[in-house]
Amino acid sequence: NAGVTQTPKFQVLKTGQSMTLQCAQDMNHNSMYWYRQDPGMGLRLIYYSASEGTTDKGEVPNGYNVSRLNKREFSLRLESAAPSQTSVYFCAGNRADTEAFFGQGTRLTVV
Amino acid sequence: QQQVKQSPQSLIVQKGGISIINCAYENTAFDYFPWYQQFPGKGPALLIAIRPDVSEKKEGRFTISFNKSAKQFSLHIMDSQPGDSATYFCAASSLGTALIFGKGTTLSVSS
Repeated sequence: NAGVTQTPKFQVLKTGQSMTLQCAQDMNHNSMYWYRQDPGMGLRLIYYSASEGTTDKGEVPNGYNVSRLNKREFSLRLESAAPSQTSVYFCAGNRADTEAFFGQGTRLTVV
Repeated sequence: QQQVKQSPQSLIVQKGGISIINCAYENTAFDYFPWYQQFPGKGPALLIAIRPDVSEKKEGRFTISFNKSAKQFSLHIMDSQPGDSATYFCAASSLGTALIFGKGTTLSVSS
């Protein structure tokens, strides 16, 4: 039982490059989330998926796209990375209105 | 618009002392109020949570106090220990919505 698994753990991108952050959970969560964490800003919601096949924008969606591939997997894509997207990204999942479990995070640097 | 306001931003407490972190929310539809603890390099993990039908919940040294009329809730850590040094986040959500987090409090417990 791995919980919530994110890959990669670290990534350095050049401005304009694209990449996809992967997230998979084996906890039978209906809902999955992507947050970014920046110093002094807390955890800000990028996108979330309340159920398989649905996605909704959060507080800071610009520059990102998501795919809820199936119940287990929720990916975050940066089409054209910018230095402002340098951050630590966390994926999380839960069943409705209950404890959310977080992955270990992806530390992304855009140069 | 920040829906969950957390204070203080940082806190230094002597070993054995009481740590108090406060949060205020705006959305009266919120019905789930968790506190998360995060150690460096790790994802946040649920510490304790409360729903608005009770005014207080205690788990070991950790207590949530909830004031529905004031739209405020707080975390009290009794007999604070160096191992409690971490970043603490309050959060809030309602059924079917994503967790909205405060900006976090960095707690340092000095020995």
